[in-house]
Amino acid sequence: GAVVSQHPSRVICKSGTSVKIECRSLDFQATTMFWYRQFPKKSLMLMATSNEGSKATYEQGVEKDKFLINHASLTLSTLTVTSAHPEDSSFYICSARDEASDTYEQYFGPGTRLTVT
Amino acid sequence: AQSVAQPEDQVNVAEGNPLTVKCTYSVSGNPYLFWYVQYPNRGLQFLLKYITGDNLVKGSYGFEAEFNKSQTSFHLKKPSALVSDSALYFCAVRDYSGAGSYQLTFGKGTKLSVIP
Repeated sequence: GAVVSQHPSRVICKSGTSVKIECRSLDFQATTMFWYRQFPKKSLMLMATSNEGSKATYEQGVEKDKFLINHASLTLSTLTVTSAHPEDSSFYICSARDEASDTYEQYFGPGTRLTVT
Repeated sequence: AQSVAQPEDQVNVAEGNPLTVKCTYSVSGNPYLFWYVQYPNRGLQFLLKYITGDNLVKGSYGFEAEFNKSQTSFHLKKPSALVSDSALYFCAVRDYSGAGSYQLTFGKGTKLSVIP
């Protein structure tokens, strides 16, 4: 089955630094990937839609300059949290859409736990 | 705009008993409905989906869900709960209108606790 990986699975960084999270579709191509944020005991909040070769589409209220998204290839999207603050601590989950699927199936990565100290 | 409601924050059930996790939805077009499960500090795992066809959908790990168009519901069920089913369950809808918009909208999640 289709697999999506995320790296790293956990990261701890200091306030003011930047952190990059990678999302890869391992056995299919994904023109479109999604980045979600999940707070403890809360649902997933869509942050942005990542489009290969073009700019990401951000949801209302999500700072584009803080959460930089790059989708340089059909199998890789990256989310960079810039100038991280403790309130950015969260669980970040990506998903990739299988364009070859007739139902445009979305597959989710295992998530990345970010802790900003 | 599409939306999903999971009216229960938590469902407790004894091991061996049947379980139901409720979900209702609202979409403008034909709904694509999904159930996902999430274990602590893990991503979402796909359980099952309804696209078209039979209203009763069978999925992974013995779960099934019934699509009810008149009640706009898609409740998740399992005849006999296992302790290992304890997790967070999310219902999601993707409104396929043919216009190219396939964004998933998630419910808030329901925590299922199966008591030994």
